[in-house]
Amino acid sequence: DAGITQSPRHKVTETGTPVTLRCHQTENHRYMYWYRQDPGHGLRLIHYSYGVKDTDKGEVSDGYSVSRSKTEDFLLTLESATSSQTSVYFCAISPQGGDTGELFFGEGSRLTVL
Amino acid sequence: LAKTTQPISMDSYEGQEVNITCSHNNIATNDYITWYQQFPSQGPRFIIQGYKTKVTNEVASLFIPADRKSSTLSLPRVSLSDTAVYYCLAQGNTDKLIFGTGTRLQVFP
Repeated sequence: DAGITQSPRHKVTETGTPVTLRCHQTENHRYMYWYRQDPGHGLRLIHYSYGVKDTDKGEVSDGYSVSRSKTEDFLLTLESATSSQTSVYFCAISPQGGDTGELFFGEGSRLTVL
Repeated sequence: LAKTTQPISMDSYEGQEVNITCSHNNIATNDYITWYQQFPSQGPRFIIQGYKTKVTNEVASLFIPADRKSSTLSLPRVSLSDTAVYYCLAQGNTDKLIFGTGTRLQVFP
């Protein structure tokens, strides 16, 4: 157990509504990542963080924003959800970031946008 | 960024050895190769990591040739519980960790 909690685990919402997914860690690791997973696309990086208030874009960042005001929480926000953002979202943490460090993943948050 | 390419799917039978190859032609000098396993409805989990030659742990072996442009994950004597998606990842040059599309391994009785 890597001490990662994602919430909510399941959410159904309507197009145009804002949605925030939360990733909480108990390990105080510096690096945190948000990925989305869709059939045929594997894992795609949305945003990542390398410290409090330090974030950067990934491969598919359009339509998403993130915030990290404290070490343990990394929030992913969809300002105005669209059906194309229906997906499973995974948070991951790493003690060492892009170096040799192992990534630990949460259990995922399944989002359905109607 | 070292883009990785893997076969989309592979089939095997219980008790066989399975080798999954990952191509990473643009790997950087300080990149490591890491493999993850993912079961349905779960997040990926670390299997093995290596830089060159061969690395072995209790679940798998990783072979990386001298030119490091590819790597092979070897699963000895697979069982039904090894049915999963396997991802290779080249990491070390950047904090931006990009996964490939993965290889879906199906093990039959």
